[in-house]
Amino acid sequence: AQSVAQPEDQVNVAEGNPLTVKCTYSVSGNPYLFWYVQYPNRGLQFLLKYITGDNLVKGSYGFEAEFNKSQTSFHLKKPSALVSDSALYFCAVPEEGYSTLTFGKGTMLLVSP
Amino acid sequence: EAQVTQNPRYLITVTGKKLTVTCSQNMNHEYMSWYRQDPGLGLRQIYYSMNVEVTDKGDVPEGYKVSRKEKRNFPLILESPSPNQTSLYFCASSLKGEYNEQFFGPGTRLTVL
Repeated sequence: AQSVAQPEDQVNVAEGNPLTVKCTYSVSGNPYLFWYVQYPNRGLQFLLKYITGDNLVKGSYGFEAEFNKSQTSFHLKKPSALVSDSALYFCAVPEEGYSTLTFGKGTMLLVSP
Repeated sequence: EAQVTQNPRYLITVTGKKLTVTCSQNMNHEYMSWYRQDPGLGLRQIYYSMNVEVTDKGDVPEGYKVSRKEKRNFPLILESPSPNQTSLYFCASSLKGEYNEQFFGPGTRLTVL
């Protein structure tokens, strides 16, 4: 089965500083990897995905993610954090045949002013 | 506007009283899914549907039923709710294929007393 792991329950960063939210994966075959964000009292929103090709993927709201095959990682990054980026972030990987999308446990990002 | 809608958004009920949470999407998506979100456990899939009249169990199907009579609708039925089904529920939809992102509804917060 495919799986992802988010090793940090919470990440704290000051506004204006770069941020990284970590995700590692375990998949068979070529991975498809996703990042979603959940703002308070809202549903999940798609941020970006890796399918194939360029290892640096750009997404919504200035976020990007770097796919690293040798380290089996897909870390989410942003050069300059905003207070409004404070939210719960999920890494996810689909099962083969797309029967399900398996999510990590989530990482709470808190950006302080 | 492309969206997934869920109703109700909030529901407090008592043990054993049958309830239905509706889910509807207007994007002509083949795939639909239900998740529950619990603190510390992330999102777990309850049921999914690859197309009309095709449904299958996810990771935590016990105590739930679904139906897919129309492409746009995917209701979640709790025939005899119990307190351990108190949770935040999300419906999602997407085009078929592991590389397609899912669109999530706003969530239904269910409390079973």
